[in-house]
Amino acid sequence: AQTVTQSQPEMSVQEAETVTLSCTYDTSESDYYLFWYKQPPSRQMILVIRQEAYKQQNATENRFSVNFQKAAKSFSLKISDSQLGDAAMYFCALIIQGAQKLVFGQGTRLTINP
Amino acid sequence: AAGVIQSPRHLIKEKRETATLKCYPIPRHDTVYWYQQGPGQDPQFLISFYEKMQSDKGSIPDRFSAQQFSDYHSELNMSSLELGDSALYFCASTQGSSGLTDTQYFGPGTRLTVL
Repeated sequence: AQTVTQSQPEMSVQEAETVTLSCTYDTSESDYYLFWYKQPPSRQMILVIRQEAYKQQNATENRFSVNFQKAAKSFSLKISDSQLGDAAMYFCALIIQGAQKLVFGQGTRLTINP
Repeated sequence: AAGVIQSPRHLIKEKRETATLKCYPIPRHDTVYWYQQGPGQDPQFLISFYEKMQSDKGSIPDRFSAQQFSDYHSELNMSSLELGDSALYFCASTQGSSGLTDTQYFGPGTRLTVL
């Protein structure tokens, strides 16, 4: 079975600063994919970034980047130049190659202070 | 770009009633997934369909059933509703025929309230 753990229920950051959200996971599989999804107050689930486990290079999408440490089973999200619109619940998620089900962490609520 | 469409967006039902939730995947997506997100919880996988066949099943109650139609839209049928069924129900879609583990794109969700 796969598990995803987000140990930070809440985080806050000043606007324009950088924040890192933590995520650890557990799986016995070697081929899998990791995601960060953002859920703003509208409750829409929005993809932020995706990482393939077989890729050593960390994924980057504009102000969002990840630090993927496969041996440590760690997948943190760094948000640079935080903006008010980044305020949301952030979920880390894992899916095994060939599987159907995304396994989510408990979420981290991010607050941006103006 | 077109996204996943879910209807209705909000639904209020009484206990023991029946509800039907609909999901229209992104064009050319042939795989749909259903998730349930209770208050303050992370989404939990319910069931998925690929090419109109059930492809995986999670923690879906026996009172719930789902199917995928020839146009790839899917419906989640929920009977004998209980208070605990109150949740946000998400549908997601991918192009499963690609053979790759694709990114699941989520719809806006249907908020079900059972009174």
